[in-house]
Amino acid sequence: QKEVEQNSGPLSVPEGAIASLNCTYSDRGSQSFFWYRQYSGKSPELIMFIYSNGDKEDGRFTAQLNKASQYVSLLIRDSQPSDSATYLCAVRDNQGGKLIFGQGTELSVKP
Amino acid sequence: SAVISQKPSRDICQRGTSLTIQCQVDSQVTMMFWYRQQPGQSLTLIATANQGSEATYESGFVIDKFPISRPNLTFSTLTVSNMSPEDSSIYLCSVDGDGIQYFGAGTRLSVL
Repeated sequence: QKEVEQNSGPLSVPEGAIASLNCTYSDRGSQSFFWYRQYSGKSPELIMFIYSNGDKEDGRFTAQLNKASQYVSLLIRDSQPSDSATYLCAVRDNQGGKLIFGQGTELSVKP
Repeated sequence: SAVISQKPSRDICQRGTSLTIQCQVDSQVTMMFWYRQQPGQSLTLIATANQGSEATYESGFVIDKFPISRPNLTFSTLTVSNMSPEDSSIYLCSVDGDGIQYFGAGTRLSVL
């Protein structure tokens, strides 16, 4: 059973702080990793994807991947109240192409 | 990214009835997926909709309960059959574009 694990939270950070969201996965052969943001009552929205070890930055968001440790994280710098949402980590199944989702981490950014 | 139209956006249904959800994409895509998101839970893949062949169902989901059609490369339907209150969920259509999966707005289903 291939699994993706996230801390469910809620994770609470003050406005302007760095939010750090973590994810581990069980399939060592996985090659593609995604972070989705989901506001309450809305569908998931892709915010980052990463395929190679190391860091990938896009604005205030940085995805970090460590395949040896089977670990992927998302950092949100200068967190804003509008970042308050559930963040879903997803890993592509190396054999079937489908996405396997973690349970999501609820982030709350306090003004 | 692909533009995905999903309808209905929400519905309230009586137990024992069926509901068909439609998913239309503005471009041809090879892979379309149907997910379920139960209240307070993450996304669970129901099936992969294949054009020209039967859908591929995940463990725990069967064709009799969730029949899927995929008549062409831009359209798919998911039917939730013989509904019970346990089927109350958000149902999401997703497409794969260049290795990235994008989601429709979802169908919020309540079964009484």
